[in-house]
Amino acid sequence: KAGVTQTPRYLIKTRGQQVTLSCSPISGHRSVSWYQQTPGQGLQFLFEYFSETQRNKGNFPGRFSGRQFSNSRSEMNVSTLELGDSALYLCASSLTSYEQYFGPGTRLTVT
Amino acid sequence: KNEVEQSPQNLTAQEGEFITINCSYSVGISALHWLQQHPGGGIVSLFMLSSGKKKHGRLIATINIQEKHSSLHITASHPRDSAVYICAVSAWRDNTDKLIFGTGTRLQVFP
Repeated sequence: KAGVTQTPRYLIKTRGQQVTLSCSPISGHRSVSWYQQTPGQGLQFLFEYFSETQRNKGNFPGRFSGRQFSNSRSEMNVSTLELGDSALYLCASSLTSYEQYFGPGTRLTVT
Repeated sequence: KNEVEQSPQNLTAQEGEFITINCSYSVGISALHWLQQHPGGGIVSLFMLSSGKKKHGRLIATINIQEKHSSLHITASHPRDSAVYICAVSAWRDNTDKLIFGTGTRLQVFP
């Protein structure tokens, strides 16, 4: 089975722009979670989608949003980018509630 | 105080040494995860534990639910074990399980 894929792998954006990141889960996995990793804050949970519905949300501002499609692929969007949004964004898919499989991440740099 | 604490933050070892990384948590959990992150950024799930001990090759993970403590051991360490090891717990929050991460332990193994 193919693993979790994320596109793009690297992205450079300017403050004020918006960005959309994509995640394709392992075939058959219906849950997709998104995480942000920064040197200062470490790994933090953004949100989780299950069967096209947001099931869970972390403590991030409304500029961060996501969605999931009927094929379980998920996108996350960040609007009005800030310098502090520079981070590695990881998505993970799971079949059960506990075991997650992580993608390689998208490294976003905001200048 | 972080809900998940890891020690040490940084660890260096000579090839062949036995390594222990510790994780303590202060919340009720349904499972504990050990993750490995290599410099490229991708995360690999090593273990998921809810009790006792698990072994996979040279890696051993233990958990003591009463003491809210887990350890990750690496026997006969090798330079390819150099990575950041992250402890994460699945905790029940807002009517669902959420992953809470430790800050990670950076391990460098020298030949």
